Amino acid sequence: DIQMTQSPTSLSASVGDRVSFTCQASQDVNIYLNWYQQIPGKAPKLLIFDASNLETGVPSRFSGSGSGTHFTFTISSLQPEDFATYYCQQYDNLPYTFGQGTKLEIK
Amino acid sequence: EVQLVESGGGLVQPGGSLRLSCAASKFTFSRYWMTWVRQAPGKGLEWVANIKGDGSEIHYVDSLKGRFTVSRDNAKNSVYLEMNSLRADDTAVYFCAKNGQFAPGSFESWGQGTLVTVSS
Repeated sequence: DIQMTQSPTSLSASVGDRVSFTCQASQDVNIYLNWYQQIPGKAPKLLIFDASNLETGVPSRFSGSGSGTHFTFTISSLQPEDFATYYCQQYDNLPYTFGQGTKLEIK
Repeated sequence: EVQLVESGGGLVQPGGSLRLSCAASKFTFSRYWMTWVRQAPGKGLEWVANIKGDGSEIHYVDSLKGRFTVSRDNAKNSVYLEMNSLRADDTAVYFCAKNGQFAPGSFESWGQGTLVTVSS
């Protein structure tokens, strides 16, 4: 199975900050990498698909980049509603696998 | 807007069985892969299984093969997860999700989840 490792596991930031975190795959997943946001008690929400494509309706402050084994997710200017946990997920190979998550907290 | 509503969760004893349902609406159900994902309390997301739109192809995470079975009824716009020989570590919220049209391995819509608790 492909292992997905997110870094850092938690991050403190303030409203208006620019933040980035990463996702490393244990083997090449091409661009088949998605990013999700999960607010506690809610279902995950797809934000970015295929490494860099913004899902319809998702604000443009969210972006993704990368290919192969190294991926980056960026929020250009944090808003109060962005404090959540973010997961990467690969679908190059079955079983599809998620990273362990990056929890974004208010400083 | 796509709607996915899971049901069937609850408290079950170790070794027991449970059948989860996911009712879909507001999209052409038979055209899409559907997926089950679970999340143990306080933990991350785990992909469980998926099933093709016509039901002809199904995949499971290896650790659950033989105990869990996915099926769908396109006439009822529903997908199911039959869970047998349940263990304490199957305790989780189970989500169904609609796979993406353009990125088929992405999960573009999710239900609210149903909690399964395995305990004596």
